[in-house]
Amino acid sequence: QSALTQPASVSGSPGQSIAMSCTGTSSDVGGHNHVSWYQQHPGKAPKLMIYDVSNRPSGVPDRFSGSKSGNTASLTISGLQAEDEADYYCSSYTSRGVFGGGTKLTVL
Amino acid sequence: EVQLVESGGGWVQPGGSLRLSCAASGFTFSTYWMSWVRQAPGKGLEWVANINQDGSEKNFVDSVKGRFTISRDDAKNSLYLQMNSLRVEDTATYYCARDRAWSTFDTWGQGTKVTVSS
Repeated sequence: QSALTQPASVSGSPGQSIAMSCTGTSSDVGGHNHVSWYQQHPGKAPKLMIYDVSNRPSGVPDRFSGSKSGNTASLTISGLQAEDEADYYCSSYTSRGVFGGGTKLTVL
Repeated sequence: EVQLVESGGGWVQPGGSLRLSCAASGFTFSTYWMSWVRQAPGKGLEWVANINQDGSEKNFVDSVKGRFTISRDDAKNSLYLQMNSLRVEDTATYYCARDRAWSTFDTWGQGTKVTVSS
């Protein structure tokens, strides 16, 4: 199966809002509401930030939000903070699992 | 505390074998799908394999089919990945992950590093 498509990088200044996209097909992202987002800092394991398109696990700040339109899901981070600088990966439900290529977020 | 701890990584020559283990604690292991996800150096995440609650359903990424097997021992709260005929391109950090539902990985281990090199 093909990986989901994410931009290689996005950047923003502290306090600003940024959004990153995750594009799939009608067989994955567009076919249901089981899209999740993961944050990964260098040398660390991924951390679940958003599941089922827009739900936040306990402990994840409400600065993180998710949405979806058609075959494209989006992660928005408002009020950017230095600690948000990390790699972000999207994933969509399929029987065999699929991730996006990842987006590197730089906080300027 | 919900926790996953991987072990078994190391260095192996091409064509060799390794068995990874993942010890689960803090939750009812037998009620969850489990997956292995890997990350090659400097690259993104790649889902490798998963197994359902009773071990009757297993899925693999195409690149490891026929070489890797996944299994679980619910009595030991453990997940395994048997890797045979290893290739240089299998070099990666391998993570064990719990699937809360619908391929949503809510708990990850710290990873175990596998290096395949001559």
